[in-house]
Amino acid sequence: DQQVKQNSPSLSVQEGRISILNCDYTNSMFDYFLWYKKYPAEGPTFLISISSIKDKNEDGRFTVFLNKSAKHLSLHIVPSQPGDSAVYFCAASRDSNSGYALNFGKGTSLLVTP
Amino acid sequence: DGGITQSPKYLFRKEGQNVTLSCEQNLNHDAMYWYRQDPGQGLRLIYYSQIVNDFQKGDIAEGYSVSREKKESFPLTVTSAQKNPTAFYLCASSIRGRTDGYTFGSGTRLTVV
Repeated sequence: DQQVKQNSPSLSVQEGRISILNCDYTNSMFDYFLWYKKYPAEGPTFLISISSIKDKNEDGRFTVFLNKSAKHLSLHIVPSQPGDSAVYFCAASRDSNSGYALNFGKGTSLLVTP
Repeated sequence: DGGITQSPKYLFRKEGQNVTLSCEQNLNHDAMYWYRQDPGQGLRLIYYSQIVNDFQKGDIAEGYSVSREKKESFPLTVTSAQKNPTAFYLCASSIRGRTDGYTFGSGTRLTVV
C-alpha cells in the first residue's frame, strides 16, 4: 500500500513563475520528509528536507511546507527555471525498526517552459 | 571523490538467466539500499542492509537476492524467479540512522530479451 502519494504525475509551469509540487502521506509515524530531484537515466539527488517538528524549511529558491494535521507537504520553487525540469520524488521516513529506509512517492514530472 | 558506482549502466538478460548488478561505494557508509523504478511506480525498496553481513527484505524482495560481505559492496542478483525484471535499478547508501544523507548511484537499466 502506497504510504507516500504524489497524485499529480506531471506539472507544467512557465519560467519565472512558482512551481508547487504536492505530497500526501498516510503513516502518522513518519517524522522526516525529503524531496529528491531526478533526471532521466540518473540517480536521484537530494534537494531539501524537513523534520516533523517544523512546518517550513527554506533553501534558496526551494521551500518545503509541512502540514502535519493534514498529512500533507508541498515543495515550492520560486522562480522556476528551465533547469528545474525533472522528476521530483517526495520521500518519508521514521525512526523505527524499518531500518531508516525511505518510502518514496511515484514522482511528479515538472516541465518549466521558457 | 567519494561516491557510489553502479555497473553496468545497461544490461540485457535472456529469460531464465540470473544476473548480478554491482553497487560499490567509497563513502564509508554503513547502510546500503536497492530500489527499483518502473514507469509510474516511483521507487520501490527491494533490499537494504544496515551493517556488514546483515540485510533485510524490502517491499518487493521476491525474485531477488543480495549479499553484504564487505562494507563497500552490496550486489543485487535478479533471479529467474523474478517475473518482471525489466526495470531501472538504483542503489543508494547512507550513514546508518541518517535519512537525509542518501547518496544514489546512477542506476542500471536491466532489459530482459
